[in-house]
Amino acid sequence: SYVLTQPPSVSVAPGQTARITCGGNNIGSKSVHWYQQKPGQAPVLVVYDDSDRPSGIPERFSGSNSGNTATLTISRVEAGDEADYYCQVWDSSSDHYVFGTGTKVTVL
Amino acid sequence: QVQLVESGGGVVQPGGSLRLSCAASGFTFSSYGMHWVRQAPGKGLEWVAFIRYDGSNKYYADSVKGRFTISRDNSKNTLYLQMNSLRAEDTAVYYCAKGGIYARPLDYWGQGTLVTVSS
Repeated sequence: SYVLTQPPSVSVAPGQTARITCGGNNIGSKSVHWYQQKPGQAPVLVVYDDSDRPSGIPERFSGSNSGNTATLTISRVEAGDEADYYCQVWDSSSDHYVFGTGTKVTVL
Repeated sequence: QVQLVESGGGVVQPGGSLRLSCAASGFTFSSYGMHWVRQAPGKGLEWVAFIRYDGSNKYYADSVKGRFTISRDNSKNTLYLQMNSLRAEDTAVYYCAKGGIYARPLDYWGQGTLVTVSS
């Protein structure tokens, strides 16, 4: 089955840039979506199709995808960005939807 | 605005059954695929099942295949998850989410309903 690997945690100072990676075999050939989940809340879509943002999501959130790694970048990090972030793809070979292992972003 | 409201969670004994519901509003329910996703306490997200807009195709995670059944009633704008032969490891918050077809993202999520499997 297809596996997506994320670093367990990323720490960043306010105003700096956070980069969260999502590793998978030839992930560059798939559409990657990213979700933000704050404690006690449902996930929220923040980036879809590698690099597009839903309406209402700040431009500070951006994404890229190439080779075996997709990346979510949060620029000018704010305290309110502290959350868990998950990448997700659809694996056409198994008709399964796959989530990454999740990354906890801590704002110092 | 899109709203998804789950219900039906609760405490059930191992081996028991439970049916979850998800009432949808604010969009044309019959035009979109729908998902169930779960999250065990302190753990990450796990996709559970997907159903196409017309119910013609259903996909399941290996961990629930043969025990869970996803269905929908487009006349009632409602998504269901029938869970049988429940195990302790099925304990989780279950979310319904609006999808699309195949590689489309899960763009709206409900607030979730807690299922606890315990004797």
